[in-house]
Amino acid sequence: EVQLVESGGGLVQPGGSLRLSCAASGFTISTYWMHWVRQAPGKGLVWVSRINSNGSSTYYADSVKGRFTISRDTAKNTLYLQMNSLRAEDTAVYYCAKEDYGGNSIDYWGQGTLVTVSS
Amino acid sequence: SYVLTQPLSVSVAPGKTARITCGGNNIGRKSVHWYQQKPGQAPVLVICYDIDRPSGIPERFSGSNSGNTATLTISRVEDGDEADYYCQVWDSSSDQGVFGGGTKLTVL
Repeated sequence: EVQLVESGGGLVQPGGSLRLSCAASGFTISTYWMHWVRQAPGKGLVWVSRINSNGSSTYYADSVKGRFTISRDTAKNTLYLQMNSLRAEDTAVYYCAKEDYGGNSIDYWGQGTLVTVSS
Repeated sequence: SYVLTQPLSVSVAPGKTARITCGGNNIGRKSVHWYQQKPGQAPVLVICYDIDRPSGIPERFSGSNSGNTATLTISRVEDGDEADYYCQVWDSSSDQGVFGGGTKLTVL
């Protein structure tokens, strides 16, 4: 059974940093492309970042480019999102998500971790 | 950047058919995916690649995509279908994912 469990969210001051983790089970992340998607309170889904199966290519939304870094540790089967220079508008639930094999739909989602950027 | 436009809300009586649209420039040339999200829950994929239903999704859910509009159709709507629905594409020109703003489906 595919499972994605996010952790690392919390309260951080503007300008601060946070690293989110996503522990995957039931599949090997080195076989699949992976995503981060966020959702501000009461708002819609917003795509954040994507990494290819071998980790050689990464993609970012314009709003986070240069501040966020997606990575993975295949030995731990874990996906990460390093978030720097955080802003109030980064406040959201962050979902880790798995892409279907060979395509670009998201077939599994984690339950999300809340990041709150506030002083 | 590529923009997807959805109606804010759609209302439908139980047993009737709901249609949720997703507008985008030449969206018919892209693969469109649809997600259902109920309050407090993670999204669930209900339609992928315009028309395909993932395992476990009822046949009442169907999709189409042509020209500048993709449509999610829910037949014989049930109370349990009340949720937010999002369309999504991958924009290869910018190498970015794009979600529509979401549509709240209300079952009357």
